[in-house]
Amino acid sequence: SAVISQKPSRDICQRGTSLTIQCQVDSQVTMMFWYRQQPGQSLTLIATANQGSEATYESGFVIDKFPISRPNLTFSTLTVSNMSPEDSSIYLCSVDGPRGETQYFGPGTRLLVL
Amino acid sequence: GQQLNQSPQSMFIQEGEDVSMNCTSSSIFNTWLWYKQDPGEGPVLLIALYKAGELTSNGRLTAQFGITRKDSFLNISASIPSDVGIYFCAGQYTGTASKLTFGTGTRLQVTL
Repeated sequence: SAVISQKPSRDICQRGTSLTIQCQVDSQVTMMFWYRQQPGQSLTLIATANQGSEATYESGFVIDKFPISRPNLTFSTLTVSNMSPEDSSIYLCSVDGPRGETQYFGPGTRLLVL
Repeated sequence: GQQLNQSPQSMFIQEGEDVSMNCTSSSIFNTWLWYKQDPGEGPVLLIALYKAGELTSNGRLTAQFGITRKDSFLNISASIPSDVGIYFCAGQYTGTASKLTFGTGTRLQVTL
């Protein structure tokens, strides 16, 4: 399985500010995914990021709020813009496994917005 | 978005007991995955199921892909304290570009 790291691991932010989360993979992958996990909840897909194309967002998530970059096959960023307390969550990136039928997750970024 | 129905929501068991949890969907999936999430960590893949009816084991864990392709279960035998965590099922339909739909999770507590 791929080794995935995320930065920062946690942060406390003021409302109205933005935070960019980085996801680094130790091997080249085609597809990267960003999920949100609200406190005590399951995981919800925010968007799918492919290198060289615009990210594809799920219903309820928009590019202005969650801009994503995918500059190469091992790296992606997710920005949480104009944050409010409702954005307090764990944000996780994941990548496809070699068969494309499994996904491996990073350790997550724990965000608290005051 | 859609979530899979996972039950039970939580379980309190004694060390050494067997555990069973299941996941149901109104939609069919081509792949079922089971993950475990420890506090402060990302989900870790436990078992992947690729074929209807498939029964797969990973140590003390056994999972099955339902014949209807709309359900899956996970069994843990002889539970130990490190089994504590949240277990999530996830379904994937090949036509949805690897997108996973996650279950609501089962929180497992193991007492000595």
